[in-house]
Amino acid sequence: EVQLLESGGGLVQPGGSLRLSCAASEFTFNKYAMNWVRQAPGKGLEWVSIISASGGSTYYADSVKGRFTISRDNSRNTLYLQMNSLRAEDTALFYCAKTGYTSGPEHLPLDKWFDSWGQGTLVTVSS
Amino acid sequence: QSALTQPASVSGSPGQSIAISCTGTSSDVGGYNYVSWYQQHPGKAPKLMIYDVSNRPSGVSNRFSGSKSGNTASLTISGLQAEDEADYYCSSYTSSGSLVFGGGTKLTVL
Repeated sequence: EVQLLESGGGLVQPGGSLRLSCAASEFTFNKYAMNWVRQAPGKGLEWVSIISASGGSTYYADSVKGRFTISRDNSRNTLYLQMNSLRAEDTALFYCAKTGYTSGPEHLPLDKWFDSWGQGTLVTVSS
Repeated sequence: QSALTQPASVSGSPGQSIAISCTGTSSDVGGYNYVSWYQQHPGKAPKLMIYDVSNRPSGVSNRFSGSKSGNTASLTISGLQAEDEADYYCSSYTSSGSLVFGGGTKLTVL
């Protein structure tokens, strides 16, 4: 069974930075594009970012573009999200999510559906 | 990118069928067959129920089905069961290359 375990969340002041990690196991990590999706407390889901299987291609939601950076280390089966210039509205539970099918190493799938999710890591931005 | 429009809540009795709508535009739902549906129980991670409008992943009950007409997609749950009570979210690819979710629908099984 696919395992995704997020970590790195916590309390940070506005303007601060945080790096999230997602450790993946039980599937061939370097074959799948990976994503971050967030959920503000009591609110709906918001897609944040995607990275291709090789890590060479990335894409971001407008709300985080220029502030967040997605990356991956395929040798460690780990996905990352570097978050800078954090704002109160970034407060959310951050999930990593596996794209449901394999695609080319540099390809960013148009068809983004997620067959496996982690349990999330909570990021709170507050002074 | 605005969120897709879903009803805030729907309800039904055990054994009944319900449908949840998800309305977008020709730049997302109407333009592509890339609509997915997720179920989320309180305190849990979302679970994929439908992808590519009407495809069901292995392990998902055939009581769940998806369809699309124009700019509106729908999730239908037949033979409602108590364990179906959850929040449901639709999502769609958008012409800008992004992914947009609906605001979510709370399903209550009476």
